[in-house]
Amino acid sequence: EVVMTQSPATLSVSPGGRATLSCRASQSVASTVAWYQQKPGQAPRLLMYGASTRATGVPARFSGSWSGTEFTLIISSLQSEDVAIYYCQQYNNWPPWTFGQGTRVEIK
Amino acid sequence: QVQLVESGGGVVQPGGSLRLSCAASGFTFSDYGFHWVRQAPGKGLQWVAVISYDGSNKYYADSVKGRFTISRDNSKKTLFLHLNSLSAEDTAIYYCARDEALKQLWLSYFDYWGQGILVTVSS
Repeated sequence: EVVMTQSPATLSVSPGGRATLSCRASQSVASTVAWYQQKPGQAPRLLMYGASTRATGVPARFSGSWSGTEFTLIISSLQSEDVAIYYCQQYNNWPPWTFGQGTRVEIK
Repeated sequence: QVQLVESGGGVVQPGGSLRLSCAASGFTFSDYGFHWVRQAPGKGLQWVAVISYDGSNKYYADSVKGRFTISRDNSKKTLFLHLNSLSAEDTAIYYCARDEALKQLWLSYFDYWGQGILVTVSS
C-alpha cells in the first residue's frame, strides 16, 4: 500500500499570502496524484489531477508540481474562500486508493 | 450537470446492516466506475470500495472486505453499498464518487462527489 504523508498538519497564512502544501509518497507513483479541497461541512472537491493539471473551474492561483515522490500544491494569493482541508491522493498503485491525512489551511 | 445523491444512512446497532444508495444524473451512468469513500468524525478520507463501469471488477479496503458489498443498477442509474456486521469503527460520512476514467477498467481519480450520508453505529 502506498502511504501518502502530508505536511504541515496546519498552515496559517495571511490574506494574499502564499501557501505551500507538501505531500510525499512512500514509493514512486509517477505523476498520478490528485488534490482535493474540503471546505467545512462540505464534500471534497477535485482541485488538481496529474499532479499539476487544474480541474475545471479551479482558479489559476492554485498550482501543482512534483519531483520524484514529492508533490506540492501552492496557493499563490490566499483568499478567505480557500480556508479548507486539502488532501492529496495517489491513483497509480491500487487498490487501495490512498489519501494523505490532510493539511488544514487557515487565515492568519 | 453531474449530480450524485446519497441516501439510506442512519443509526444502526452494532452487528446490524444497512444499504446505502447513490442516485446519479447529468451523465451516462453506465460509462463510469464508482467509489465509496468514508470519513469518520473529525478524521480524514478513507477509500472503501470501487466498482467498474460494467460491474465486472470490484475491489474493497481490507477493513471492510467480507462485510461490505458494492453493486450497481445501470438501468436505475444507482450505486449501492451493502454494509453488514457493522461496528462503531464504521461510523462515518459515506461519500459516493465518480471515477474519471471513461469506459475503462484501469481506474483513476475521483472527479465528482456526492454530498455524503451519515452512518452511525451505536447501541
